[in-house]
Amino acid sequence: DTAVSQTPKYLVTQMGNDKSIKCEQNLGHDTMYWYKQDSKKFLKIMFSYNNKELIINETVPNRFSPKSPDKAHLNLHINSLELGDSAVYFCASSPDGNYGYTFGSGTRLTVV
Amino acid sequence: QQQVKQSPQSLIVQKGGISIINCAYENTAFDYFPWYQQFPGKGPALLIAIRPDVSEKKEGRFTISFNKSAKQFSLHIMDSQPGDSATYFCAAETGANNLFFGTGTRLTVIP
Repeated sequence: DTAVSQTPKYLVTQMGNDKSIKCEQNLGHDTMYWYKQDSKKFLKIMFSYNNKELIINETVPNRFSPKSPDKAHLNLHINSLELGDSAVYFCASSPDGNYGYTFGSGTRLTVV
Repeated sequence: QQQVKQSPQSLIVQKGGISIINCAYENTAFDYFPWYQQFPGKGPALLIAIRPDVSEKKEGRFTISFNKSAKQFSLHIMDSQPGDSATYFCAAETGANNLFFGTGTRLTVIP
């Protein structure tokens, strides 16, 4: 199946831990993204990678670091997790130009 | 600041009725206006999109109306069905793969 897949779907962890979320797309898209959706459903972009280069880095704490080993993968590493990091994180990809984004099914992160 | 303003926050419509969601923007550099549909536990999925050189686009029961001079666009869902119950997001994008979302509208269609 052609898709954007991210793992894990659920992640429960304690404050202070370090965790990673993986994302892979087999659509051949050039750009990949990480979005954060808060409890009010607001979607905010965190990072964007085009051909392994960071092209957007919004005002996200430096505890969050994206890593792209190749064009098809964009992982999100989070250090020293805080309660406020609890949210749903979505990976997405898009081709160059305006053709819409394809989103993964999300990772619900709960920090306790 | 919110690049795309969306209203209403929630909407309840009877089955068979018309659902209308409105969005407005300020940045004239936006040149692509997609709508996304999100069901609980799923990621947003592209529903329909329009470019500013047309005033309307229709796909099945879903229609986007676009008013370039007013910098507004809206989604109309005709003959709304319970299966349309979801959260809808308008969005706007520049050519630089920079997509800004509205705040979302939770649509509930009552049987």
